[in-house]
Amino acid sequence: DADVTQTPRNRITKTGKRIMLECSQTKGHDRMYWYRQDPGLGLRLIYYSFDVKDINKGEISDGYSVSRQAQAKFSLSLESAIPNQTALYFCATRAGVWADTQYFGPGTRLTVL
Amino acid sequence: GESVGLHLPTLSVQEGDNSIINCAYSNSASDYFIWYKQESGKGPQFIIDIRSNMDKRQGQRVTVLLNKTVKHLSLQIAATQPGDSAVYFCAERPMDSSYKLIFGSGTRLLVRP
Repeated sequence: DADVTQTPRNRITKTGKRIMLECSQTKGHDRMYWYRQDPGLGLRLIYYSFDVKDINKGEISDGYSVSRQAQAKFSLSLESAIPNQTALYFCATRAGVWADTQYFGPGTRLTVL
Repeated sequence: GESVGLHLPTLSVQEGDNSIINCAYSNSASDYFIWYKQESGKGPQFIIDIRSNMDKRQGQRVTVLLNKTVKHLSLQIAATQPGDSAVYFCAERPMDSSYKLIFGSGTRLLVRP
């Protein structure tokens, strides 16, 4: 969905490096999410944010941190990347508590060597 | 624990035939369900959704059926086209954790010409 953009689209890094993945949206949605996707597994929630001042851990937050710089921007950081963080990372948005659908960005493919 | 699973990891159909992708969910308290389509190199794209107070909903060439008695969800695609080739995910939203979606691992649909 062009309304949700992610940068970079691909990244190769080394173990121990700090990495930031960025997500921007023009949908005007309050809620933003970070997921990771691994082969054969469903999307798993890393962090989610209801607004700029409300950030919450998801089911697999260890090793990750996030920053909600503005309503439209939600960044995911790997403080010290490790190989098992190699995955596809997706950002998603949702309009609000009364809205149901989440809209996804195109994803970032991250490889940690 | 909560889970959303799929019966068939890969489905191969002839172009022009109808496709049926199945999904079993485990949380009887889920009140909202959604199907996403993910093409190679792209993020999940919303297809159709349904609330638990319905048992059928139709879109353009797609129909979602919900059977709460056996906790089963299906996606029917009419007159399957080559552009329908993708991985399809179902997801459920637990009523007591409405901030999140629980995703299945996906079914790959292959359309034979």
